[in-house]
Amino acid sequence: GEDVEQSLFLSVREGDSSVINCTYTDSSSTYLYWYKQEPGAGLQLLTYIFSNMDMKQDQRLTVLLNKKDKHLSLRIADTQTGDSAIYFCAESIRAGGFKTIFGAGTRLFVKA
Amino acid sequence: NAGVTQTPKFQVLKTGQSMTLQCAQDMNHEYMSWYRQDPGMGLRLIHYSVGAGITDQGEVPNGYNVSRSTTEDFPLRLLSAAPSQTSVYFCASSPGTVGSKETQYFGPGTRLLVL
Repeated sequence: GEDVEQSLFLSVREGDSSVINCTYTDSSSTYLYWYKQEPGAGLQLLTYIFSNMDMKQDQRLTVLLNKKDKHLSLRIADTQTGDSAIYFCAESIRAGGFKTIFGAGTRLFVKA
Repeated sequence: NAGVTQTPKFQVLKTGQSMTLQCAQDMNHEYMSWYRQDPGMGLRLIHYSVGAGITDQGEVPNGYNVSRSTTEDFPLRLLSAAPSQTSVYFCASSPGTVGSKETQYFGPGTRLLVL
């Protein structure tokens, strides 16, 4: 079946790097995404990676994809208090059309 | 562009009442979806639409109806509200299924409490 799993919480100190991990089960994924949700708001796309890529870097964000192990990670360099939010991993799969599977979200706490 | 808008932001219903959650997008996106977000469960797909006049069920469709008479609007109807439908509801739209067009744009959410 299709499943995306993430740890529920991560706590880091301001200025440190944060690494949020995600595993997925469906090998037919085309794109994998990281979304950010701030309190009381909807989900906002942070970054995405095509399934045939290993790494993507976008300013403070680095996405690593290990397709063999079905493991995706998001590294946030120099984490700031404004990065405190819930981060959702998601995969887009070919299942008779349009389907995106979301993880339960990782809540990132940044301590000053 | 306003993006994806949802109304209302908050709603309290009594068990058995019906209501419609509104969703509109002004980006001319073909694909629109409704999700519910419950603690510790991520987002679960309720219904989705691949274009005007076409809708299909998602993972948790029971108790909800949708219609897509225009490209812009995708309302979600609760037929007879139950406490199990207490949740945060998100509407999303997407340009299509090819390449980065699979990216979804989310509305701000509707918080629903069913007593």
